[in-house]
Amino acid sequence: AQSVAQPEDQVNVAEGNPLTVKCTYSVSGNPYLFWYVQYPNRGLQFLLKYITGDNLVKGSYGFEAEFNKSQTSFHLKKPSALVSDSALYFCAVRDNNAGNMLTFGGGTRLMVKP
Amino acid sequence: DAGVIQSPRHEVTEMGQEVTLRCKPISGHNSLFWYRQTMMRGLELLIYFNNNVPIDDSGMPEDRFSAKMPNASFSTLKIQPSEPRDSAVYFCASSSGTAAYEQYFGPGTRLTVT
Repeated sequence: AQSVAQPEDQVNVAEGNPLTVKCTYSVSGNPYLFWYVQYPNRGLQFLLKYITGDNLVKGSYGFEAEFNKSQTSFHLKKPSALVSDSALYFCAVRDNNAGNMLTFGGGTRLMVKP
Repeated sequence: DAGVIQSPRHEVTEMGQEVTLRCKPISGHNSLFWYRQTMMRGLELLIYFNNNVPIDDSGMPEDRFSAKMPNASFSTLKIQPSEPRDSAVYFCASSSGTAAYEQYFGPGTRLTVT
């Protein structure tokens, strides 16, 4: 069975500093990996995905994520955090054997302080 | 495109009443998902439809919950009878099997059962 782990419930970073939100996964086949962001009182919003190809994936709002097969990780990064990046972030994985379903991690709350 | 549309946005009802949540997926998407989000349990997949057919309903909590998708543009999630522990935000999401499976979420329905 596929699974996703987000080891940090909350990440705190100062505005202007780089940020990393961690994600590790477990699947039986080749993974499709996703990051979503949820702002207060809103639905989840797609940020970026890794399917194949370049291990560094660029997405919306200046975010990027690096796929590392040997470490089974897909960490979300941004070179310079903004206060407006404060939100709940979810990592998700699709297993090739699981149809169209995604398995979501528990979420990490990112707090960017001025 | 208007995105995934959910109604109502907020629902307050008394224990024992029937509740019906509605979802209109993005046109052309062939997969539809119902999720529930609570502070305690995080984001849970309740049921997943592909081409209007329920594929996986293992996440449906109990027989009080039922979901239908009578056509490609409409789905309902019904709770009968409702209980206070059903209070949560319910999200509908849709995806296209030909678009690498990222899901697009609606704004959610916040259900409060008193």
